[in-house]
Amino acid sequence: DTGVSQDPRHKITKRGQNVTFRCDPISEHNRLYWYRQTLGQGPEFLTYFQNEAQLEKSRLLSDRFSAERPKGSFSTLEIQRTEQGDSAMYLCASRPRQGGAGELFFGEGSRLTVL
Amino acid sequence: SQQGEEDPQALSIQEGENATMNCSYKTSINNLQWYRQNSGRGLVHLILIRSNEREKHSGRLRVTLDTSKKSSSLLITASRAADTASYFCATDATGGNKLVFGAGTILRVKS
Repeated sequence: DTGVSQDPRHKITKRGQNVTFRCDPISEHNRLYWYRQTLGQGPEFLTYFQNEAQLEKSRLLSDRFSAERPKGSFSTLEIQRTEQGDSAMYLCASRPRQGGAGELFFGEGSRLTVL
Repeated sequence: SQQGEEDPQALSIQEGENATMNCSYKTSINNLQWYRQNSGRGLVHLILIRSNEREKHSGRLRVTLDTSKKSSSLLITASRAADTASYFCATDATGGNKLVFGAGTILRVKS
């Protein structure tokens, strides 16, 4: 399967701990996105990479959140000093180079529960 | 904040009936897309309609777009129990790099 993969699928942590999620996009896609989704809501944009450059960050992405995409391949999203309000599904998506159809290809998500 | 607003929030129908979901948005767009999400899973792209198109079909799906009213509708014909899912519209704003999603419509198809 050459779709978007995310790891781990589920993470339970205690408040104050750090967590890191990994996303492997479709190999030929140069654009990568992170979204956050809480229960009953649609995905909310967090950040966007084109190759290794982080081109846009949402105001939702507080200073406890950091995302990287070294070498323009996989990406990581780290949350430091987790809070209960960080509990959500974190979705990664990738998109082909500019000029493509425009659709996003999503992974299955990483569900975070902060106790 | 989310740009799209879906209506209704939830819809329950019998198998074989048609389901219509509506979406309104606020800014100028390049295209509007519809996605489906099964419970606890990622989103799957269904259909994309460009700002210069008014209607598009894909299998049992029909999407309309009215840019003057900044609204779109998704029609699923002859629904099946397997269509039970959440459906989201997403807009690709002019000059933007990201999709902005609405809150979604939860569709339940009873067999």
